[in-house]
Amino acid sequence: EVQLVQSGTEVKKPGESLNISCKASGYSFTDNYWLMWVRQMPGKGLEWMGIIYPDDSDTRYNPSFQGQVTMSADKSINTAYLHWSSLQASDTAVYFCARRRSGWYPSFDFWGQGTLVYVSS
Amino acid sequence: DIQMTQSPSSLSASIGDRVTITCRASQTIRDYLNWYQQQPGKAPKLLISAASTLESGVPSRFSGSGYGTDFTLSINNLQPADFAVYYCQHSDSTHNYNFGQGTKLEIK
Repeated sequence: EVQLVQSGTEVKKPGESLNISCKASGYSFTDNYWLMWVRQMPGKGLEWMGIIYPDDSDTRYNPSFQGQVTMSADKSINTAYLHWSSLQASDTAVYFCARRRSGWYPSFDFWGQGTLVYVSS
Repeated sequence: DIQMTQSPSSLSASIGDRVTITCRASQTIRDYLNWYQQQPGKAPKLLISAASTLESGVPSRFSGSGYGTDFTLSINNLQPADFAVYYCQHSDSTHNYNFGQGTKLEIK
């Protein structure tokens, strides 16, 4: 069974750094699958942040998020990460990871449960 | 950058009704269009890919159509579980994955 299990809720202060994770199981992490990160601010819609290919860590960012976050992956433990070096209150949101299905057609068939990040002084 | 615009932003309907949600792309995207359903507090769920291909396990009362710039998601015989937020998403091989702003389907 394919699963994406994300790390738990984070409560942080502005200026702090943070990594959240997305651990994949039930499929070959490096076998032609990309992983996308999506932001959902409170009461708002879905925004794609970027996508990473875990096999070689090729990463493509949405221009709106370029330089704001860093995506990485550790294929030895089937885990992708989203990193902030200096959080802001506006980073408060739920973050989802999602698997891009293999093959020619790009759709996202499995999603993590979401990680709530709360940033407040 | 291709923008996706959904209408309406919200919609009220009754059990058993048929509803249609529209998604428009700012330029042609052929059939590179997905639809997702999001229940409160849950992750999105893929309903339809390639504009009209129903995902395995999704009830046949859901259907998608369209090509180019205009797309629709239709739901026949609304059931209680269908009241949720629906998102369209353009996705292509150049790594553009923009979502529409969402349509909230509420029970009347």
